[in-house]
Amino acid sequence: QQPVQSPQAVILREGEDAVINCSSSKALYSVHWYRQKHGEAPVFLMILLKGGEQKGHDKISASFNEKKQQSSLYLTASQLSYSGTYFCGTESSSGTYKYIFGTGTRLKVLA
Amino acid sequence: EAQVTQNPRYLITVTGKKLTVTCSQNMNHEYMSWYRQDPGLGLRQIYYSMNVEVTDKGDVPEGYKVSRKEKRNFPLILESPSPNQTSLYFCASSLLAGAEQFFGPGTRLTVL
Repeated sequence: QQPVQSPQAVILREGEDAVINCSSSKALYSVHWYRQKHGEAPVFLMILLKGGEQKGHDKISASFNEKKQQSSLYLTASQLSYSGTYFCGTESSSGTYKYIFGTGTRLKVLA
Repeated sequence: EAQVTQNPRYLITVTGKKLTVTCSQNMNHEYMSWYRQDPGLGLRQIYYSMNVEVTDKGDVPEGYKVSRKEKRNFPLILESPSPNQTSLYFCASSLLAGAEQFFGPGTRLTVL
């Protein structure tokens, strides 16, 4: 089952912050975050491998709560270039190498 | 330049006419994958390959075949395409399973 992301869509003004959540009904072994701009391929943002791990990339950071089977992506002081669709992704189950993406969150940053 | 290439980028075909979408990577990656992307359904994995001659089904493998005879190439074959296979297809590769995936530019397929 696909991880569920919330919100489904969000509109921000430049400089505002946003949080995107990714929740799984199954255990998460690792979480990846990707951004896909309109008409382009997804681009990797970051990977979180351990429960409780937090990572940062420019003004985008993420956390991973293994117990709650959740990850959150934090976008701080958003820029126009942050617009796109954000996907979390993970191995679909332990012991296989299948990969599954979350439902996606469309984010639009306005000037 | 490290990249994943796909061909063709756009294809319009008719029901039942066999087609192949090629995918090639120049990064010596072991793991390769095919996804389809449909509005409201996100990205869904069709097939993946752990290495040469090792392939396995993803979540939506029906109607597709793949092969991995060389490490760099992972073609997607539709032996008898149907309109429900109209979609945007992405090939991706990563050094290992679970690592960062690099995506090709996508192939937009329309089956009439």
